[in-house]
Amino acid sequence: ELKVEQNPLFLSMQEGKNYTIYCNYSTTSDRLYWYRQDPGKSLESLFVLLSNGAVKQEGRLMASLDTKARLSTLHITAAVHDLSATYFCAVDKPSGYALNFGKGTSLLVTP
Amino acid sequence: EAGVAQSPRYKIIEKRQSVAFWCNPISGHATLYWYQQILGQGPKLLIQFQNNGVVDDSQLPKDRFSAERLKGVDSTLKIQPAKLEDSAVYLCASSLQGDYEQYFGPGTRLTVT
Repeated sequence: ELKVEQNPLFLSMQEGKNYTIYCNYSTTSDRLYWYRQDPGKSLESLFVLLSNGAVKQEGRLMASLDTKARLSTLHITAAVHDLSATYFCAVDKPSGYALNFGKGTSLLVTP
Repeated sequence: EAGVAQSPRYKIIEKRQSVAFWCNPISGHATLYWYQQILGQGPKLLIQFQNNGVVDDSQLPKDRFSAERLKGVDSTLKIQPAKLEDSAVYLCASSLQGDYEQYFGPGTRLTVT
C-alpha cells in the first residue's frame, strides 16, 4: 500500500524563524507535489518536483526531492504570519496521475 | 480561463438520505478526479475518469457511492444512502490528458447529521 507520511503534523513557530517539514513516501514515484490549503479553501499548488535532486523556491518556501531516500522537504525561511496554513505533500498513484496525499502539516506562525 | 466549478458549495442532509454533487472541469481537460477530504486528513481519491471511462475507482465505496461522467465533460458524484462518516469535503480536480498537473475546484462541504 502506498504511504505518504508527513511530520510534524502540527507546527507552531514564531515569525522570523526557520523550519522544515518532512515528507516520506513508500513508492518509487519520481514526482512529488506540495500543496497549500487555507481554512475552508481548496488546494493551491505550490511545487511539483519532477526528478531526483530537484529544488524549487518561491518566496520564503523551498522544496527539495531525494527520490533515493524517498524524502521531500519543505523549508520555511523567516516565517511570516501569511504562511499560516496546512501544507500537504502528495505522490502519484502507480496507476497514473491520481494523487496520494499525506495527512498534512498544520502551520501556525505567531508574532 | 475559468477554473473547475463545483456545486453546491455546502450541503446538510440527514443520514440515510441521498445527495449528489456536480463538477464542471476546465474546458478541454480529459481527466477528472473526485477526492474525499475528511476533516483533519489529506484528500483521498474516490474515482478517476479519462474522458467518460473510469480509470481508477478502487477506493470508491460502491455500495453507496456512484459517479458518472456523461459525454466526457461534467461529472456527478452521488451518495445513497449517506452515513455520518461521509461528512467531508468533496473535491473535484481536472487535468489535460497525459498531464500530471491537476487543478482543484472549491469543493463541496457535506455534513451528514
